Amino acid sequence: NAGVTQTPKFRVLKTGQSMTLLCAQDMNHEYMYWYRQDPGMGLRLIHYSVGEGTTAKGEVPDGYNVSRLKKQNFLLGLESAAPSQTSVYFCATQRGFLYGYTFGSGTRLTVV
Amino acid sequence: TQLLEQSPQFLSIQEGENLTVYCNSSSVFSSLQWYRQEPGEGPVLLVTVVTGGEVKKLKRLTFQFGDARKDSSLHITAAQPGDTGLYLCAGASGATNKLIFGTGTLLAVQP
Repeated sequence: NAGVTQTPKFRVLKTGQSMTLLCAQDMNHEYMYWYRQDPGMGLRLIHYSVGEGTTAKGEVPDGYNVSRLKKQNFLLGLESAAPSQTSVYFCATQRGFLYGYTFGSGTRLTVV
Repeated sequence: TQLLEQSPQFLSIQEGENLTVYCNSSSVFSSLQWYRQEPGEGPVLLVTVVTGGEVKKLKRLTFQFGDARKDSSLHITAAQPGDTGLYLCAGASGATNKLIFGTGTLLAVQP
């Protein structure tokens, strides 16, 4: 039982390059989230999904896009990476209202 | 914008000491959760509190939700090196599932 798996774990991008981060879950959870974690700023919500085929913007959505074509996968895309997107990205899933989040182990992204 | 402020930001103590971490906001939350995060890993849920004034205990950890549901505290009794990590509070408001996270308290327990 893997829980929440994020790939890749590390990545270095040049400014302007694109990439996709994959979050895969095997818990059949409806809700999925993408957060970024930066020193001194805590975890900030980028985008989220309340079910297959749905997505919505969070607190800091600019420069990112997401897709949830299958219930178990939530993809985060960076179309044209910028140094300000250097961060640690976490995916989280949630069974339902008032349940806790289950986080992946994160993707450390550096944009140079 | 809802904010959750945690204090202190950093705490370094000796094994066996007690400590309290605070999580404060001007907003009312329908529920509040506490997580612990270790280096290189994602946060792991410790507890969820829902009712104002609620107190929950998890071994040596005691969590309290403020009566007005705007603040919370985490008290650790007789801290151990295994308690070392980043402690995060997170609140949900209304009927939304989205969590607002605090900035965290980094705890180091020295043996």
